[in-house]
Amino acid sequence: GAVVSQHPSWVICKSGTSVKIECRSLDFQATTMFWYRQFPKQSLMLMATSNEGSKATYEQGVEKDKFLINHASLTLSTLTVTSAHPEDSSFYICSLKSEEGREVYEQYFGPGTRLTVT
Amino acid sequence: SQQGEEDPQALSIQEGENATMNCSYKTSINNLQWYRQNSGRGLVHLILIRSNEREKHSGRLRVTLDTSKKSSSLLITASRAADTASYFCATGLRTTNQAGTALIFGKGTTLSVSS
Repeated sequence: GAVVSQHPSWVICKSGTSVKIECRSLDFQATTMFWYRQFPKQSLMLMATSNEGSKATYEQGVEKDKFLINHASLTLSTLTVTSAHPEDSSFYICSLKSEEGREVYEQYFGPGTRLTVT
Repeated sequence: SQQGEEDPQALSIQEGENATMNCSYKTSINNLQWYRQNSGRGLVHLILIRSNEREKHSGRLRVTLDTSKKSSSLLITASRAADTASYFCATGLRTTNQAGTALIFGKGTTLSVSS
C-alpha cells in the first residue's frame, strides 16, 4: 500500500498563532487527499477533501478560513490551522485513497499530528 | 454524524481468548472496512468486505457482513497483547463536492488484551 507521512508528529503552539501540518504521499500520486480530525477517545471526523490544483472542499461545520488547505502537488497537501485556540487541540490525520472511481476502496493514513494549543 | 456504531465500546480479555466486535451502519454500502489504531497513531487498514460477501478471513481476523441487518462483526482469534488497540469500522461517505469519497467511521471499540 501507499506510504503516507505527516510532519510534524506533534506540535505545541500558543493561542492565536498558526500551525502548518504537512501530509506527503511518498510513493503514490494522489489527486485527492482527505483530512480528518480526532478528539480524545472519539472517532475520526472528516474535515475536508483536498484536491490537487483546485480548492479544497469542506464538510459542514468546518470553517474554511480557519483550516486552510493547499494541495499544490500530487504528493503534498498542507493543512494550516490559523489563529489556533485551545479547542482546536486535536489529532489531525490525513489519508489518501487507493483508487479513483465511485467505489470506496481502502485508504492509507498518515501517522497523525497531535496539536496542542495552550 | 457517525455512520457506524461499534459494540462494545470497550473490551478487556486475556491473551489467547477471542475478541468479537460488532458494527452497525445506516445507509446502503458498496463495502465495509475495518481499521486498527494504536494509541496516538494513524490508522491501519485491516480488511475490506464487499456488500456481496458474507464472510472474509485474513490471518487471525474473520469479518462477517449482514446487509439485511446492516451490521458487521470482526473476530480476532487467539488474541495477543499486541492486538491491544482501537478498532473502527468504516464505510464510504460521499464528500460535499461529490468529487471524492472519504470514509465515515464508527465510534470504535477499544480492545485491551492482557498477558
